[in-house]
Amino acid sequence: DAGVIQSPRHEVTEMGQEVTLRCKPISGHDYLFWYRQTMMRGLELLIYFNNNVPIDDSGMPEDRFSAKMPNASFSTLKIQPSEPRDSAVYFCASSDTGRPDQPQHFGDGTRLSIL
Amino acid sequence: QQQVKQSPQSLIVQKGGISIINCAYENTAFDYFPWYQQFPGKGPALLIAIRPDVSEKKEGRFTISFNKSAKQFSLHIMDSQPGDSATYFCAAEISGTYKYIFGTGTRLKVLA
Repeated sequence: DAGVIQSPRHEVTEMGQEVTLRCKPISGHDYLFWYRQTMMRGLELLIYFNNNVPIDDSGMPEDRFSAKMPNASFSTLKIQPSEPRDSAVYFCASSDTGRPDQPQHFGDGTRLSIL
Repeated sequence: QQQVKQSPQSLIVQKGGISIINCAYENTAFDYFPWYQQFPGKGPALLIAIRPDVSEKKEGRFTISFNKSAKQFSLHIMDSQPGDSATYFCAAEISGTYKYIFGTGTRLKVLA
């Protein structure tokens, strides 16, 4: 089975540009999570969706960040305008029911560098 | 404060040795404690998990020990192998939210 697919794998762009990260969850999974990983702050949950509806976006750092899930097989995380401090690895994860004993399956991440 | 403290930051173990990684938490509103393993360039993958009503769980060479009164839990890797070299994260799920709080990670290197 295909896992969680993220694109692009790497993104380098200049400060002020719009950045869009994409995620395709595992088919049939109802929950989708966006995380950010940095050396300083570790792995942080940004937002999660249930059945395409955002449930908790309290981890979204600023209004510059937005996430959407237009259908069950696609989600985007957008940063506009981007800043150097947004440089990090962004992960998308999905789970079957969202129950804690159902593992979250992570994609391989997007390494974002803002110059 | 909802925080999970993980130690050590890095660990070097000889092949065949035991690797031990510790985590501690303060908030009691956690009810699921998974450990994730991450290789370079990959996303974290679930390794093993435990609920707080269980004191120990073993899967192959991997064991979680859980001390609810001390609010501590640890991962033991028996007979450590070079292929175990990775970064390990503990996590705790905030009750009823599906939200994980992750530890800061431990970079394990097993020498051949």
